Amino acid sequence: DAGVTQTPRHEVAEKGQTIILKCEPVSGHNDLFWYRQTKIQGLELLSYFRSKSLMEDGGAFKDRFKAEMLNSSFSTLKIQPTEPKDSAVYLCASSLELGAYEQYFGPGTRLTVL
Amino acid sequence: GDSVTQTEGLVTVTEGLPVKLNCTYQTTYLTIAFFWYVQYLNEAPQVLLKSSTDNKRTEHQGFHATLHKSSSSFHLQKSSAQLSDSALYYCALRYYNVLYFGSGTKLTVEP
Repeated sequence: DAGVTQTPRHEVAEKGQTIILKCEPVSGHNDLFWYRQTKIQGLELLSYFRSKSLMEDGGAFKDRFKAEMLNSSFSTLKIQPTEPKDSAVYLCASSLELGAYEQYFGPGTRLTVL
Repeated sequence: GDSVTQTEGLVTVTEGLPVKLNCTYQTTYLTIAFFWYVQYLNEAPQVLLKSSTDNKRTEHQGFHATLHKSSSSFHLQKSSAQLSDSALYYCALRYYNVLYFGSGTKLTVEP
């Protein structure tokens, strides 16, 4: 089975641009998560979907961050407009719905905002 | 709410010596499971250990951890650190399918 895939792996944007990151979860997984990873803050939850429904939307990230789940096998994270402080690695993860199931992470997208 | 604390940001240990990474948590709700994730350089985080049973030792790849609900802890240990263990380690608890991560501990194993 394919794991979680994310594209692009690297993105460089100018301040004020709109960028869209993409994620494909593990086939059959109902839960999908977006995280931001920085050295200072570690892993921060941005969004959580269950069966395409938004379950949690990280409060601090609502203004310029919008995650969508277009179908059960594809999700996007839009950042609009980008700011230099958004430079980070953005990770997507998926898991089965119930129980003590682990989350499987994708390789991440490293975003640099100039 | 739930929170996870990893007190050490950086841990350096000599190869062959034991290592312990601390993890404590605070929760007011029933928590399903506890995890240790490991992230090697330029790779995605992956599960190293998981547990949902109080006072039961769980082991994988030479690492072990025991969930102690009485002390709200889930420390990670290894009796003999290897150079290949150098990585970033996250402790996490799972509540209603959401993972709450600690701030992470960077482990460096030196020759």
